[in-house]
Amino acid sequence: GAGVSQSPSNKVTEKGKDVELRCDPISGHTALYWYRQSLGQGLEFLIYFQGNSAPDKSGLPSDRFSAERTGGSVSTLTIQRTQQEDSAVYLCASSLLQGHNSPLHFGNGTRLTVT
Amino acid sequence: QQQVKQSPQSLIVQKGGISIINCAYENTAFDYFPWYQQFPGKGPALLIAIRPDVSEKKEGRFTISFNKSAKQFSLHIMDSQPGDSATYFCAATDSWGKFQFGAGTQVVVTP
Repeated sequence: GAGVSQSPSNKVTEKGKDVELRCDPISGHTALYWYRQSLGQGLEFLIYFQGNSAPDKSGLPSDRFSAERTGGSVSTLTIQRTQQEDSAVYLCASSLLQGHNSPLHFGNGTRLTVT
Repeated sequence: QQQVKQSPQSLIVQKGGISIINCAYENTAFDYFPWYQQFPGKGPALLIAIRPDVSEKKEGRFTISFNKSAKQFSLHIMDSQPGDSATYFCAATDSWGKFQFGAGTQVVVTP
């Protein structure tokens, strides 16, 4: 079946521009996560959506970052006024259930380059 | 503050050798410990996972050892193959489901 789909796969933008990154989770998965991976670094948690609960936004690095999930499915991560330090791979993951009963399924990420 | 500490950052092993990656955690609420494998240009993929009620889990050439009292767990890759060259991440989560990841270990298996 289809896995987690992210688009675009690559995005180059100029400093100061806004960007939108899209994630289509696996159908039926209730939990959706965004992580950021800088070159050669680990996975930095950004935000977590679980069903109809309020999202856990504790990992968003600044108020330039926001995310929404419409209809419990597709999610969009928006970065306003991009900075060079925002350059990274943005990974989306989904899981069938909340917590320890379900592993995460990752997309292949969006590689963002801010020039 | 990183909740899951992973070491080493990188390792090189000869084909047929054993790769060992270690992780430690502090949060006693964690009760699910997966390992993920990531190839360049791809997202991480689940490799193997363990719950704290068992001390070891084996799947093929991959084994997780878990020490609850020490709050440590490790991944052993037996008979390492060049195709195992990848970055490996340990992770931990609790019932809430916020996964915390280690910093990753880049494994290179030489022919």
